[in-house]
Amino acid sequence: DSGVTQTPKHLITATGQRVTLRCSPRSGDLSVYWYQQSLDQGLQFLIQYYNGEERAKGNILERFSAQQFPDLHSELNLSSLELGDSALYFCASSVVSGSMTDTQYFGPGTRLTVL
Amino acid sequence: QKEVEQDPGPLSVPEGAIVSLNCTYSNSAFQYFMWYRQYSRKGPELLMYTYSSGNKEDGRFTAQVDKSSKYISLFIRDSQPSDSATYLCAMRGGSYIPTFGRGTSLIVHP
Repeated sequence: DSGVTQTPKHLITATGQRVTLRCSPRSGDLSVYWYQQSLDQGLQFLIQYYNGEERAKGNILERFSAQQFPDLHSELNLSSLELGDSALYFCASSVVSGSMTDTQYFGPGTRLTVL
Repeated sequence: QKEVEQDPGPLSVPEGAIVSLNCTYSNSAFQYFMWYRQYSRKGPELLMYTYSSGNKEDGRFTAQVDKSSKYISLFIRDSQPSDSATYLCAMRGGSYIPTFGRGTSLIVHP
C-alpha cells in the first residue's frame, strides 16, 4: 500500500457527461501528479500541483481540469466525456517539486469507462 | 518516434529463468532512469533507479544504463511467478516530470 488513496475505483458514465476523480496524497507529501494510462498511449502525465498551486502541465485536454485543496487532496474533473477518455487515471504524490530524484508514489487508480 | 520505446510483450518465461527487459530512448538529456512494476489492477511502484550510466544491483534485480547507446535494461534473476507484472521504464532529464515507456508485460509460469 503506497499510502495514496483514490476514489472511486470504477466509474461508468455516458458520453457528454462530467465526472470528478479524487486523490488523497501520502501524509506529508505536498505534490500531486495526475496521469492517464491507456493501452495504446501508456502512462501519460496530465498535470501537477504543489501545495495548492499548479506547477506543471502535460498532455491535458482543455475539457479536463484539476485543483488541489488546502488539505492537499486533489480532484481531477473530466467534462464533455468522449469514448476515447476511457482509461485508467492515476494519482501520484511526492514530498517536493522539481527534484530529479524525488520518488513518486502511485495510488491504485480509477478506471473510467465512457459508454 | 516516441521519446521512450518499450516492447509491450507479453514476455513469457519459465520459473527460474533470467529475464531481460529493455527500453531505448532518444532524448540525450535523460540522466535519471527508473523501473516501475505494476501488478494487475494496481498502481505502478518504484522498483529501482539509477543515475547516469552504469549498473545497480538489488537482490535478484539489476538495472543497467548505457547512455552512449541510449539503452537501459532490467535483469531479473531466478524469476518467480510473483514477478509476473508489467514493468515500466521511466526517465528524467531537463524536466523533473518522468517520461514513461508503455510497459512490458511479463509472465513467469511455474
